[in-house]
Amino acid sequence: GENVEQHPSTLSVQEGDSAVIKCTYSDSASNYFPWYKQELGKRPQLIIDIRSNVGEKKDQRIAVTLNKTAKHFSLHITETQPEDSAVYFCAATGYSTLTFGKGTMLLVSP
Amino acid sequence: KAGVTQTPRYLIKTRGQQVTLSCSPISGHRSVSWYQQTPGQGLQFLFEYFSETQRNKGNFPGRFSGRQFSNSRSEMNVSTLELGDSALYLCASSLGLAGPPYNEQFFGPGTRLTVL
Repeated sequence: GENVEQHPSTLSVQEGDSAVIKCTYSDSASNYFPWYKQELGKRPQLIIDIRSNVGEKKDQRIAVTLNKTAKHFSLHITETQPEDSAVYFCAATGYSTLTFGKGTMLLVSP
Repeated sequence: KAGVTQTPRYLIKTRGQQVTLSCSPISGHRSVSWYQQTPGQGLQFLFEYFSETQRNKGNFPGRFSGRQFSNSRSEMNVSTLELGDSALYLCASSLGLAGPPYNEQFFGPGTRLTVL
């Protein structure tokens, strides 16, 4: 089955800095890679996703890149703000079942 | 369109008891997946139901079971509760078809289960 590794497990940045979270996957059949943000006590919310036929996708301060050959994808957050503090999960799927990474706790200090 | 709902939101049980959690998917979604979330373990996949059939299953003991009804609502049952079953149980719904966007999943708020 699919296996997703996510790094780092915690990431502390100063407000205004950039943050990068990296994930690798094992199943070459995976074709959809969503990223979820989970604030304390809340449900995971989809923030951006990328499909296997696309190399990069941007949405304001958030971008995701995908390298199918190396089987890794990354989340980039620019100009971080305190409200970006949360746990971020990457995931991969080839059909309908999502396999998640273990999450990255992002702390943005004012 | 209403989002995914889960009931109850909080549960306190004692060891040895059993519990049933409920999940109502987004209207039109036929797939419901269940996840267990614990600190340090992230989101662990329990099982997925699609059109009343279990389609995928994670690595959890047989004490964890589920079912799905004709209206796509799903229930999850945990029998003989153990302290380690304390967790946030999340369900997510999707259209359940192959390939994006049909496999995009939307999460419910979760049920917080505490086993004493």
